Amino acid sequence: AQSVTQPDIHITVSEGASLELRCNYSYGATPYLFWYVQSPGQGLQLLLKYFSGDTLVQGIKGFEAEFKRSQSSFNLRKPSVHWSDAAEYFCAVGVRSGGYNKLIFGAGTRLAVHP
Amino acid sequence: DAGVTQSPTHLIKTRGQQVTLRCSPKSGHDTVSWYQQALGQGPQFIFQYYEEEERQRGNFPDRFSGHQFPNYSSELNVNALLLGDSALYLCASSLVRGRGPLNTGELFFGEGSRLTVL
Repeated sequence: AQSVTQPDIHITVSEGASLELRCNYSYGATPYLFWYVQSPGQGLQLLLKYFSGDTLVQGIKGFEAEFKRSQSSFNLRKPSVHWSDAAEYFCAVGVRSGGYNKLIFGAGTRLAVHP
Repeated sequence: DAGVTQSPTHLIKTRGQQVTLRCSPKSGHDTVSWYQQALGQGPQFIFQYYEEEERQRGNFPDRFSGHQFPNYSSELNVNALLLGDSALYLCASSLVRGRGPLNTGELFFGEGSRLTVL
């Protein structure tokens, strides 16, 4: 069965420090992978996506993620965190069935940023 | 370009009542999906509508039903509300037309309708 695991429920970093959020997926075919961010009381905003090709993808707000097929991972990174990055981050895999798609999400990682 | 819009933003119901949530997709999109996000959890897929028919369904009971209109907008209905139905309900739109490798499944989400069941 398809699934997404985000091993870290909470992460706290200092402003200016680097960040890596982990994501592991289980999916039999070539995955479509996504990272979304959710601020309190808000919907989901797409940070970046991987469909094919270059395994290092760039997103908005200075985020990047690397797809590693051998490790079934799609970790999100940012070299220098800003206080405004405090939010909840969700990794998701796109599951295709009969031409239609749905997303399976991980449980999320809540990021706190210390000044 | 209007994004995905949902209404109402917040509502409170009591157990046993029924609720209807509404969604207008992003301009140019033809498919609407609904997700339930319980507190502290990731969104869970409820169902997806395309061409006014339910195309996929997640593991949700028949109390959850939906509809898609000719203008692609959609409603989510929940009957016989339970306390456990309290959640943020997210609508997402996408473009299915041109299915195949070009259909990458990218979803655009609204800000959600927060339902509290007392």
